[in-house]
Amino acid sequence: QSALTQPRSVSGSPGQSVTISCTGTSSDVGGYNYVSWYQQHPGKAPKLMIYDVSKRPSGVPDRFSGSKSGNTASLTISGLQAEDEADYYCCSYAGREGVFGGGTKLTVL
Amino acid sequence: EVQLVESGGGLVQPGGSLRLSCAASGFTFSSYEMNWVRQAPGKGLEWVSYISSSGSTIYYADSVKGRFTISRDNAKNSLYLQMNSLRAEDTAVYYCAAGDPHDYWGQGTLVTVSS
Repeated sequence: QSALTQPRSVSGSPGQSVTISCTGTSSDVGGYNYVSWYQQHPGKAPKLMIYDVSKRPSGVPDRFSGSKSGNTASLTISGLQAEDEADYYCCSYAGREGVFGGGTKLTVL
Repeated sequence: EVQLVESGGGLVQPGGSLRLSCAASGFTFSSYEMNWVRQAPGKGLEWVSYISSSGSTIYYADSVKGRFTISRDNAKNSLYLQMNSLRAEDTAVYYCAAGDPHDYWGQGTLVTVSS
């Protein structure tokens, strides 16, 4: 199973919105509504930010939202804050395995 | 407080073996599906293996199939990963992650495969 495709980097200024895409195939992203997103700060463990495409775990700010169209899922972060600077990974169920994206580094300018 | 604590990492020669452990506390371990996810130095996350809450269903990534074995002991609130025939490309931080999606993560244990 090939990794999902994410842009290597995105950037935005405080208060702006950014969207990170995650492209897969009909065997993973397009075939199931089981896409999740993880935030990882340097040297730290990943943290679940979005699951089942668009659901937010308790405690995650509503500035984070998820969506999906066809084989591409998206994570949108609105009202960017300095602490949002991190790596973001998408993940999809793909039958008998999970598959992650390659990761996107978000820089808050 | 939810805690997942991995142990067992270290330096091993190519072809060698290691057994990773993950001790869980603060949640009902026996109700949770568990996964191992790894991250090579400077690289992204890679899913390695999944085990259902009862242990009856197990999946592996193709890259480790036949070499790694996942298991759990619900009485001891523990998850394991037996890694055999280790290769240089298995060098990574190994995380245990609870749930599917992965609600909780440990801090990881570093496995280095090198001669």
